[in-house]
Amino acid sequence: EPEVTQTPSHQVTQMGQEVILRCVPISNHLYFYWYRQILGQKVEFLVSFYNNEISEKSEIFDDQFSVERPDGSNFTLKIRSTKLEDSAMYFCASKIVRTDTQYFGPGTRLTVL
Amino acid sequence: GESVGLHLPTLSVQEGDNSIINCAYSNSASDYFIWYKQESGKGPQFIIDIRSNMDKRQGQRVTVLLNKTVKHLSLQIAATQPGDSAVYFCAFREGQGAQKLVFGQGTRLTINP
Repeated sequence: EPEVTQTPSHQVTQMGQEVILRCVPISNHLYFYWYRQILGQKVEFLVSFYNNEISEKSEIFDDQFSVERPDGSNFTLKIRSTKLEDSAMYFCASKIVRTDTQYFGPGTRLTVL
Repeated sequence: GESVGLHLPTLSVQEGDNSIINCAYSNSASDYFIWYKQESGKGPQFIIDIRSNMDKRQGQRVTVLLNKTVKHLSLQIAATQPGDSAVYFCAFREGQGAQKLVFGQGTRLTINP
């Protein structure tokens, strides 16, 4: 069964450093998402992406965040200058056009020191 | 404002019994609802979903009930198994055309042998 994959599984970085989290959505999916989950809290929407542009973003997704689909298979989330409060699990999700169900990847645990 | 809340943060049931996990939402424009299961260290796994034009939907051992009058969603798991132990999240979409899912806090379900 096709799955969303994410790399790395765990990323440790120093405050102020840039990180790039990578996702490979399910191959025939065209909508892509990033969500995050701070430890012990609920999952929060960050951004949705379709047709090579952001279709919706939350107030969390400020100028420090960016997304890109650099090729036909990868979808990335970049945090330019990480802060301590960026420490969280980051989940990528994808879905098919004209359907509702978003399928999530296993997540990347980001730890900012 | 928007919110999705859960009545019980933890639920313990005996193996083989049925379980019911509840969720309340506040946005009457919500048109799509979904339940995810999250095991420790993993991403949200799709269980079952329902659109607002329905009030009940059944899957394998799971049933989702939607009461739009009182803005209430529930997940019933029949004949629970040890593998059902996880955190269960409800989530909703704010209306047709919206991309983001708004997640609830989560309920931890523990199946006792």
